[in-house]
Amino acid sequence: DVVMTQTPVSLSVSLGGQTSISCRSSQSLVHSDGNTYLYWYLQKPGQSPQLLIYKVSNRFSGVPDRFSGSGSGTDFTLKISRVEPEDLGVYYCYQGTHYPWTFGGGTKLELK
Amino acid sequence: EVQLVESGGGLVQPGRSLKLSCAASGFTFSNYYMAWVRQAPKKGLEWVATISTSGSRTYYPDSVKGRFTISRDNAKSSLYLQMNSLKSEDTATYYCASLTGSRLDYWGQGVMVTVSS
Repeated sequence: DVVMTQTPVSLSVSLGGQTSISCRSSQSLVHSDGNTYLYWYLQKPGQSPQLLIYKVSNRFSGVPDRFSGSGSGTDFTLKISRVEPEDLGVYYCYQGTHYPWTFGGGTKLELK
Repeated sequence: EVQLVESGGGLVQPGRSLKLSCAASGFTFSNYYMAWVRQAPKKGLEWVATISTSGSRTYYPDSVKGRFTISRDNAKSSLYLQMNSLKSEDTATYYCASLTGSRLDYWGQGVMVTVSS
């Protein structure tokens, strides 16, 4: 199985600040069709996860441009700029390239 | 507006069975692959099952293969998860989600399953 490793486990950020989360996979996430099926989700307290970024760097419908994704192969990054209160929660990376689909362990974003 | 509403959770003894349901609305259910994802208490996310639009193809991780069965009724816009031979490690909140490829687009609010004697 592909192991997804997120760092850090937790993060403190000031409102209006910028931060980033790293996600590494144990094998390349480039699919045989040429796409890289790496996604980012945010789970706000008491809510179900919501999709932020798909295929590494594409923002899902309604996601503000403060969120950006980058990376390739096995190394990926989610950047959040101008942090707002509604950005707090647990962020997960997830790979849908190889079965079984797997998630990272999560990164908790808290206010400093 | 896409809505996914899970039901059928509860407390069940180890070795017993439970069937979860997910009622979908706000989109053409029959056009989308669907999935179940679970989250053990205070833990991360685990993909549990995927089903094709017609229901002819299903996919599972080894942790549930042979015990869980995903199915759907397109006429009722409903998704199901039949869980047999339940173990304590199956205790989790179970979410249904719509899929585009492997992208989990929209999620329900989740339903809690507790496996305990």
